Amino acid sequence: EAGVTQSPTHLIKTRGQQATLRCSPISGHTSVYWYQQALGLGLQFLLWYDEGEERNRGNFPPRFSGRQFPNYSSELNVNALELEDSALYLCASSWGTAIAYEQYFGPGTRLTVT
Amino acid sequence: AQSVTQLGSHVSVSEGALVLLRCNYSSSVPPYLFWYVQYPNQGLQLLLKYTTGATLVKGINGFEAEFKKSETSFHLTKPSAHMSDAAEYFCAVSRGGGYNKLIFGAGTRLAVHP
Repeated sequence: EAGVTQSPTHLIKTRGQQATLRCSPISGHTSVYWYQQALGLGLQFLLWYDEGEERNRGNFPPRFSGRQFPNYSSELNVNALELEDSALYLCASSWGTAIAYEQYFGPGTRLTVT
Repeated sequence: AQSVTQLGSHVSVSEGALVLLRCNYSSSVPPYLFWYVQYPNQGLQLLLKYTTGATLVKGINGFEAEFKKSETSFHLTKPSAHMSDAAEYFCAVSRGGGYNKLIFGAGTRLAVHP
């Protein structure tokens, strides 16, 4: 069974540009979560999607947005990039919406903003 | 509000020695607690979780943790460290009930020496 996949592995952008990160969940999983792992800030929850709907959002500005497609894959968009957006972005998926269901993490996309 | 404190950002043990990684949480509702491990350049892997029921939880790779409500702790232990255990370990808490975001501690980097 394939795990959570993320693309690209690395992404280099210039301040002010837009970045698009993609995530494919494990087959059968309907929930997708996004987390940011920034140096010095640790792991922070960004967004949670389930069945195409945004279910919960972390304390991030509106320039962080995303969506979930009918096939349950997801996209994270970061507009007007700032230097502090440089981080590892992790996507996770779970089978359902109950917290007891394990969140399986992908390898991440490392975003560097110069 | 929920929060997690991991005591000790770096822990060093000898191969074969006891591993003890400390985690204390704060939660106004019954918590769901998790330990994840992150190997270099990889995503997170769930070691174990506490949702309800038995307070001593056994996980993968010989790890276990005990939920102690009176001490608001969920420390991770392993009787005998292996070199392959060297990684970063994260404790996380969630409240469930539609708030499935994981709130992570700052992490503890475990080094294992021969």
